[in-house]
Amino acid sequence: DAGVIQSPRHEVTEMGQEVTLRCKPISGHDYLFWYRQTMMRGLELLIYFNNNVPIDDSGMPEDRFSAKMPNASFSTLKIQPSEPRDSAVYFCASSPGVLLLYEQYFGPGTRLTVT
Amino acid sequence: AQSVTQLDSQVPVFEEAPVELRCNYSSSVSVYLFWYVQYPNQGLQLLLKYLSGSTLVKGINGFEAEFNKSQTSFHLRKPSVHISDTAEYFCAVSKVNAGKSTFGDGTTLTVKP
Repeated sequence: DAGVIQSPRHEVTEMGQEVTLRCKPISGHDYLFWYRQTMMRGLELLIYFNNNVPIDDSGMPEDRFSAKMPNASFSTLKIQPSEPRDSAVYFCASSPGVLLLYEQYFGPGTRLTVT
Repeated sequence: AQSVTQLDSQVPVFEEAPVELRCNYSSSVSVYLFWYVQYPNQGLQLLLKYLSGSTLVKGINGFEAEFNKSQTSFHLRKPSVHISDTAEYFCAVSKVNAGKSTFGDGTTLTVKP
């Protein structure tokens, strides 16, 4: 298996622009998570899905952030409009969620820089 | 709700020395416990997990952890570290049958020659 795939790996954009991050989870995994990691705030859970349905989005910073999972093999995290304080590494992770296997498999991350 | 406290933000150690990274958790219900490692510029990867059974759990790269229910701890240990173990280590907890985990703030392990 190729693992969790994220694209792009790096994104540099100007303040006010729309940013879309993409994630392909491991096939057969029921859970998908979006995290943000910064030096100041550490690793933050933004939102997670179970069987394509958003379960908890309480970590989404504000209305500028939105996430979708239209099918079991694809998810997006969108920031519109982007701001410099959104600069961070964004991770997608997936988890089997069956047979009590709740460990998470992380993608390589997308490093977002908003200037 | 669960919470996780990693007691040391940074742990410097010399190569071939033993190391212990400390993790305490709080929860009113039964939990699963995990340790993840993050190497520079990479995502997190699972080191080991405790779901049930033996309280001593062995993971990859020679790491092990012991679940102590009375002390609500899940400390990570390695008897002899290598330079390549330099990384950030995260302890995580999740409720039994819950999908998400709560992560600690991380401990940066630096192994010096």
